[in-house]
Amino acid sequence: AQKITQTQPGMFVQEKEAVTLDCTYDTSDQSYGLFWYKQPSSGEMIFLIYQGSYDEQNATEGRYSLNFQKARKSANLVISASQLGDSAMYFCAMREGLGGYQKVTFGTGTKLQVIP
Amino acid sequence: DVKVTQSSRYLVKRTGEKVFLECVQDMDHENMFWYRQDPGLGLRLIYFSYDVKMKEKGDIPEGYSVSREKKERFSLILESASTNQTSMYLCASSFGPRDSTEAFFGQGTRLTVV
Repeated sequence: AQKITQTQPGMFVQEKEAVTLDCTYDTSDQSYGLFWYKQPSSGEMIFLIYQGSYDEQNATEGRYSLNFQKARKSANLVISASQLGDSAMYFCAMREGLGGYQKVTFGTGTKLQVIP
Repeated sequence: DVKVTQSSRYLVKRTGEKVFLECVQDMDHENMFWYRQDPGLGLRLIYFSYDVKMKEKGDIPEGYSVSREKKERFSLILESASTNQTSMYLCASSFGPRDSTEAFFGQGTRLTVV
C-alpha cells in the first residue's frame, strides 16, 4: 500500500495567488515526521518544511505552511503569493522510526506551474 | 554546508554488468538512503542504512544490494544490470538523533543500461 499519496500530478496557479498541494499518508507509528521538498528543473532537492506528529501547531516557513490534520492523515502544503520561481515538482515525504532508525518514503509528486 | 556527493552524474552500462554507485557524505550522518526517481512514480526507496554495516530493504530492493563499510560512504550495487534499471538514482543522508532533521540529497546519477 502506498504510504504517501499525492493525488494531483499537475497543477496550475496564477502568480500572486495561493495554492494548496495535497498529501495524505498512512502509518501505524505514533511518532513520525512529514516533510515537503521542492525539485526545480535543475534536479536538486530542496527542503521546504517539516511537521512532527506531536507538533500541535501547523508548521510555517516564510510563504510555506503545512496544513496538518492528524485525524485525516493529511499534510497539505500551502504556498501563499505564488511566484514564477515556485514552478517545480513538489514531493511530500514521511519519516517513520525513532532516533537513529529512520525510514523516509516519498510520494509521486505534484508538478506546479505558476502562470504570469 | 552538508555535502552529499555521488560519484557520477551520468553513467552508461551494458546489460549484465555489475554496477557500483557511490555516495559519500561529509557531515557524520547516521542515516543514508538510496532512491530511484522515475517520471510519474516519484522517489522510491531502494535501501537505507542507519549505521555502519546496518542496512534495511526499502520498497523496491529487488535487483539491488548495498554496502556501508564506513559511516560516510553508502554504495548501491546492481548485481547484473538490466534495462528496467535505467533511471535517476538519488542518494540522501540525515542526522540520526534528531527526528526533525531533513534529508540532504546528492546531485543524482542518471544511469542508462543498454
